[in-house]
Amino acid sequence: EPEVTQTPSHQVTQMGQEVILRCVPISNHLYFYWYRQILGQKVEFLVSFYNNEISEKSEIFDDQFSVERPDGSNFTLKIRSTKLEDSAMYFCASSEVRSSYEQYFGPGTRLTVT
Amino acid sequence: DQQVKQNSPSLSVQEGRISILNCDYTNSMFDYFLWYKKYPAEGPTFLISISSIKDKNEDGRFTVFLNKSAKHLSLHIVPSQPGDSAVYFCAAGSGNTGKLIFGQGTTLQVKP
Repeated sequence: EPEVTQTPSHQVTQMGQEVILRCVPISNHLYFYWYRQILGQKVEFLVSFYNNEISEKSEIFDDQFSVERPDGSNFTLKIRSTKLEDSAMYFCASSEVRSSYEQYFGPGTRLTVT
Repeated sequence: DQQVKQNSPSLSVQEGRISILNCDYTNSMFDYFLWYKKYPAEGPTFLISISSIKDKNEDGRFTVFLNKSAKHLSLHIVPSQPGDSAVYFCAAGSGNTGKLIFGQGTTLQVKP
């Protein structure tokens, strides 16, 4: 069964460093998303991406964040200068069509900023 | 952001019995609702969804009920199995944005 994959599973970085989180969505999906979950809190929407453009972004997704689909398979989330409060689980998701809302999530990357 | 709320942080049921997980929402513009299951160290797994034009959707042991007037949805699992033990999230979306708003989650424990 097709699945969303994410690498790395755990990333430890120092405050102020740049990190890139990688995702490989399901191959025939066209819509891509990033969510995050801070420990003990809700899963929060960050950004949606379609046709090489951001479709929507949340207030969390400020200038420190960017997304890219550098080739036909990968979808990345970059945090330019990490802060302690960026420590969270980051989930990538994809969907075949936007209107269905049936998004399939990857296993997540645990980001720890020290 | 309290648009989607799951007021019960945990639920414990006996194997073979019914599990009922509840979710309330405040935004009447939501037109699509989903339930996800999550195990530790894994991402949310899609379970079942319902459009706002329906009041019930069934898939095997899982049934989702939507009461729009009460802004309430529920997930019924019958019969419950120990493998169903996980955190269950309800989520909602509106328009055509794909953005999902999640509840806080309810931890279900099914005892053998």
